[in-house]
Amino acid sequence: QSVLTQPPSASGTPGQRVTISCSGSSSNIGSNSVYWYQFLPGTAPRLLLYRNNQRPSGVPDRFSGSKSGTSASLAISGLRSEDEADFYCAAWDDSRSGWVFGGGTKLTVL
Amino acid sequence: QVQLVESGGGLVKPGGSLRLSCEGSGFTFSDYYISWIRQAPGKGLEWFSYISSGGTSIYYADSVKGRFTISRDNAKNSVYLQMNSVRPGDTAVYYCARDLEKLDYWGQGTLVIVSS
Repeated sequence: QSVLTQPPSASGTPGQRVTISCSGSSSNIGSNSVYWYQFLPGTAPRLLLYRNNQRPSGVPDRFSGSKSGTSASLAISGLRSEDEADFYCAAWDDSRSGWVFGGGTKLTVL
Repeated sequence: QVQLVESGGGLVKPGGSLRLSCEGSGFTFSDYYISWIRQAPGKGLEWFSYISSGGTSIYYADSVKGRFTISRDNAKNSVYLQMNSVRPGDTAVYYCARDLEKLDYWGQGTLVIVSS
């Protein structure tokens, strides 16, 4: 049972915009930044967004993030086949004094 | 470029021991905390340990406390995870990640299977 809640799956067609939600509580998302990661088989997990909506260098601006209260979301616009991956949200949890994660969302590009 | 590489995974019997390594390159290793995160088959991610840049501050989640020991050798740009008294529930892909207010770079992971 993951501390942060994500939908297990999402899908879209090439060119579409897809959003993935991440729900937490006051001790994690409600009081700290949210981070998003992309997991592709055989590669190191990649940080997509930090501090809710900041992109590391090299991450396309097709990826964007937002946060409101105890929830956050990742949006991917102009969906591409190479975006097919597992996406995880994360946040620091003050109650646990540690990082907590969502259960992951498998994105399928139809 | 920043890179982290885990090694040392494999098959180990319940109650046995294993030592994982995490070697960093492309950055000043001694400036960064290093965290360990694991993912059991079909499960989510679990952050369970970190070590501070100088090795003086260490954390363990309850799930591994008393069985796992984290350490580092900054001269070798490496962090180690000594896993003792392993259990089937420790079966997972183990990742190390650079940690400085965010887990920004991760390794590819090393698979640990605990089975008789």
